Amino acid sequence: KNQVEQSPQSLIILEGKNCTLQCNYTVSPFSNLRWYKQDTGRGPVSLTIMTFSENTKSNGRYTATLDADTKQSSLHITASQLSDSASYICVVSDSNSGYALNFGKGTSLLVTP
Amino acid sequence: EAQVTQNPRYLITVTGKKLTVTCSQNMNHEYMSWYRQDPGLGLRQIYYSMNVEVTDKGDVPEGYKVSRKEKRNFPLILESPSPNQTSLYFCASSSYPSANTEAFFGQGTRLTVV
Repeated sequence: KNQVEQSPQSLIILEGKNCTLQCNYTVSPFSNLRWYKQDTGRGPVSLTIMTFSENTKSNGRYTATLDADTKQSSLHITASQLSDSASYICVVSDSNSGYALNFGKGTSLLVTP
Repeated sequence: EAQVTQNPRYLITVTGKKLTVTCSQNMNHEYMSWYRQDPGLGLRQIYYSMNVEVTDKGDVPEGYKVSRKEKRNFPLILESPSPNQTSLYFCASSSYPSANTEAFFGQGTRLTVV
């Protein structure tokens, strides 16, 4: 069964600090991996999309990495801001089932002053 | 502005009273889908549609119906809502799914069934 596991479940950091969120998956055959940011009560917004051949992708202060061999990804947030407080969701798509999206449960990040 | 619009944003209803949540996108996307999000469970797909008049079940379709009569609209219908359908619902759209297709989500509909 396709699974996407994220860690930690929640995280509290001080404003200005860096942090790294983890995602492990068992989705096969792999198509792409996405990171979404979801503010409380709002729809997810895409941060990055990576295919099999990409091992890093940046979007401003967000940098995602992908190791397709070990089926792991990370999202690194640099110089965190209060507005980074949100849930970060790892989503992996497989090419068999019409590119269906397999969602992780998310990491809840709180950035404090 | 490219967007997915859901209505209503908030809805409280009683058990058994039929309701419809609308979803509309202005990006001429072929693919649309509905998800529900519950605490500790993440997003789960209810139904999806590859194009007009083409719909299929997702992971949790029981108790829901959908229709795709026009490309831009994909309403979610609860014929007889029950309390276990209390949840946060999201509609999403994208062009035909491929390795790099971007998915856009609506703002969500918080439904409470009492």
